[in-house]
Amino acid sequence: NAGVTQTPKFQVLKTGQSMTLQCAQDMNHEYMSWYRQDPGMGLRLIHYSVGAGITDQGEVPNGYNVSRSTTEDFPLRLLSAAPSQTSVYFCASSPGDGSYEQYFGPGTRLTVT
Amino acid sequence: QQQVKQSPQSLIVQKGGISIINCAYENTAFDYFPWYQQFPGKGPALLIAIRPDVSEKKEGRFTISFNKSAKQFSLHIMDSQPGDSATYFCAASQPSGNTPLVFGKGTRLSVIA
Repeated sequence: NAGVTQTPKFQVLKTGQSMTLQCAQDMNHEYMSWYRQDPGMGLRLIHYSVGAGITDQGEVPNGYNVSRSTTEDFPLRLLSAAPSQTSVYFCASSPGDGSYEQYFGPGTRLTVT
Repeated sequence: QQQVKQSPQSLIVQKGGISIINCAYENTAFDYFPWYQQFPGKGPALLIAIRPDVSEKKEGRFTISFNKSAKQFSLHIMDSQPGDSATYFCAASQPSGNTPLVFGKGTRLSVIA
């Protein structure tokens, strides 16, 4: 199993550009989530999904969209990038009901200039 | 409102010493308390976790102590080693594996020889 994979590893955007951060898992996990990590702020939840077709907002959802058309994939879309979205983004997955452990991907480092 | 408060923000420990990181929570509905370990450039990984029906859980050199009445839990790293140098996050979750983890802001541990 590859586990949780994220692409790209690094990305530089200009203000106003849009892009999609990709996340995929091959463990047949129902639960997937996106976090951003900023210095001194810990891991803050952006959006999460409890299964295909179901998504919900986390703590910091503004400026981000998600969809979950398959169990495997959970892309994160930045609609119009802003410097405040400069961060490291982590995708995570969990088997779901009855199992709590979250498996994190390696992260995407995004810089918005 | 920060649901899980973690301290200290950074910690320097001599090799062979004990590292102690503390977390406090407010939501009495939380029933799962994991600790995640993150090395530079990597995603967080589950280190050890506890549920409120026990007061202590030990795995090798890592121990979680849990005080339900005080709504506090802590991570103890015995015989700390330079390889333990990493960022540690406490977290909490409500019942069901489909509810989001709430993370503390993290503690950067440096173990020096």
